[in-house]
Amino acid sequence: DAGVIQSPRHEVTEMGQEVTLRCKPISGHNSLFWYRQTMMRGLELLIYFNNNVPIDDSGMPEDRFSAKMPNASFSTLKIQPSEPRDSAVYFCASSFRAGGETQYFGPGTRLLVL
Amino acid sequence: EDKVVQSPLSLVVHEGDTVTLNCSYEVTNFRSLLWYKQEKKAPTFLFMLTSSGIEKKSGRLSSILDKKELFSILNITATQTGDSAVYLCAVRNQGGKLIFGQGTELSVKP
Repeated sequence: DAGVIQSPRHEVTEMGQEVTLRCKPISGHNSLFWYRQTMMRGLELLIYFNNNVPIDDSGMPEDRFSAKMPNASFSTLKIQPSEPRDSAVYFCASSFRAGGETQYFGPGTRLLVL
Repeated sequence: EDKVVQSPLSLVVHEGDTVTLNCSYEVTNFRSLLWYKQEKKAPTFLFMLTSSGIEKKSGRLSSILDKKELFSILNITATQTGDSAVYLCAVRNQGGKLIFGQGTELSVKP
């Protein structure tokens, strides 16, 4: 049974470029979470969706970040324009429901903005 | 503001030692507390705790929650080098949001 799938696994880009990170949750899970992890700030929740609807985006750092979930099997996190301080590992996680189930993490996308 | 605090931030022990990792929290509408292990990749789930005083156990790892004092501990007995990792504590509120602690970096020396 496939886990959470993220792509790309690594991304190197130049400041000012648009970056799109992709996530496919575990089939049957209806909650999806985007996290960012850095040495300085640890693991931070950016946004989460329940049944494809964004529930809490209070962790999204600023307007340069946006996330969509057009259907139950796909989500994107977009950064436009990217900045060096956006360099981090971005994790996507999914759970059967937002309130009471374990979240399963994808392998992460390691982003480096030069 | 909801927060989760773990201690110690880092720990170095020798194989065979027993370690106790701590997690304290202040979260409105507490739902559950989770422990994750993170090696050089994504966090992997260890335990989910919802009730006070009931120990969860998996092999050499065990964990317990105290909802009155707002903390949890994760014990690892007879540590092995493969236990070296960052251990993350996270607390879930009613809305499903997970608030993570900063993690405890455990290094087990042979």
